[in-house]
Amino acid sequence: AQSVTQPDIHITVSEGASLELRCNYSYGATPYLFWYVQSPGQGLQLLLKYFSGDTLVQGIKGFEAEFKRSQSSFNLRKPSVHWSDAAEYFCAVGIYGGSQGNLIFGKGTKLSVKP
Amino acid sequence: KAGVTQTPRYLIKTRGQQVTLSCSPISGHRSVSWYQQTPGQGLQFLFEYFSETQRNKGNFPGRFSGRQFSNSRSEMNVSTLELGDSALYLCASSLGNEKDTQYFGPGTRLTVL
Repeated sequence: AQSVTQPDIHITVSEGASLELRCNYSYGATPYLFWYVQSPGQGLQLLLKYFSGDTLVQGIKGFEAEFKRSQSSFNLRKPSVHWSDAAEYFCAVGIYGGSQGNLIFGKGTKLSVKP
Repeated sequence: KAGVTQTPRYLIKTRGQQVTLSCSPISGHRSVSWYQQTPGQGLQFLFEYFSETQRNKGNFPGRFSGRQFSNSRSEMNVSTLELGDSALYLCASSLGNEKDTQYFGPGTRLTVL
């Protein structure tokens, strides 16, 4: 069955430091991959998505992610974290049809930013 | 363009009651998907409606149902509420094609006492 794993439940980084959030997926075909961010009390906002082509994807707010087929990974990166980046981040695989639905989400990584 | 709106934002119900949640998609979007978010299970897909037809369904009991109207607005109903139904219910809308981005609403926080 398709699944998404985010190994880190909670990460704390200092403001200005670089960030990498890990995401591994299990899916038989070429996946559609997404990163969403959720601030407290808010819905999910799309940061970036990968469908095909260039494996390095640029998103909003200075985020980027790299698709590595050999490692079944889609890690999210940001070179310099801002305090406003504190939120929960979700990686998702997009599946069209099937019982698991359009998007299968990982359990999320909560990001805290130290001043 | 207005985003996805969900009403109400907060609900408190008691066990055994039923509840209806509403989702208005972005104008022009024909697909509405519903997700349940809990601390334990995370985000789980409930169902998707496209042009008034349920196109996809997750693994939830029959107490969870939905419908979509001709203007693409969608409602989700939960009957015979259980404590475990307490969750944030998110809806997302898209144009409905495979690669279309899903845009999420702010959610409805349901508390079952």
